[in-house]
Amino acid sequence: ILNVEQSPQSLHVQEGDSTNFTCSFPSSNFYALHWYRWETAKSPEALFVMTLNGDEKKKGRISATLNTKEGYSYLYIKGSQPEDSATYLCAFTGNYGQNFVFGPGTRLSVLP
Amino acid sequence: DAEITQSPRHKITETGRQVTLACHQTWNHNNMFWYRQDLGHGLRLIHYSYGVHDTNKGEVSDGYSVSRSNTEDLPLTLESAASSQTSVYFCASSESTVGTDTQYFGPGTRLTVL
Repeated sequence: ILNVEQSPQSLHVQEGDSTNFTCSFPSSNFYALHWYRWETAKSPEALFVMTLNGDEKKKGRISATLNTKEGYSYLYIKGSQPEDSATYLCAFTGNYGQNFVFGPGTRLSVLP
Repeated sequence: DAEITQSPRHKITETGRQVTLACHQTWNHNNMFWYRQDLGHGLRLIHYSYGVHDTNKGEVSDGYSVSRSNTEDLPLTLESAASSQTSVYFCASSESTVGTDTQYFGPGTRLTVL
């Protein structure tokens, strides 16, 4: 069974702070890494799909980087806002098809 | 707009009862997935289907079954509910079997087994 880890488990920041967290995954048989944003009582919502080593994706104040050789991805949020409060999930797919292996998530709370 | 729905949204049942959770998608996606979400584990795959009449076991399939008789629906059945199956269940769908394809999630069903 593949192991995908995320750190930290939870994070509290003040409004306006920038923050980042990590997703670690197996570096062998890598195909893609997905990031999802999951607000309480809602469905997980796709943020990014990353495939290439060195890839960087950006959506507004949120960006992500990918290192497939060492098996990690960083998610950055610049100038956190209370509406950024959510759980951020990463999901790994390997060379075996569409099945995702999710990490346990990082729960972000942005305090006004 | 295309969507994926789950019903019921909340369910309380007793140990030993059979329970079926519904998942319906109007994306016309070939692939459908069932996950359970537990603290500290994130989302874990229960069963998945790559098309009509296709079903496969995921990481935590014991005690669960699915059937796919059409493109739109993948009901999840708990044959004999156990307290360990108390969880939040999410259904998802995707268009293709390519690993870059996004999975779209339903709103979840919170199941409590007493």
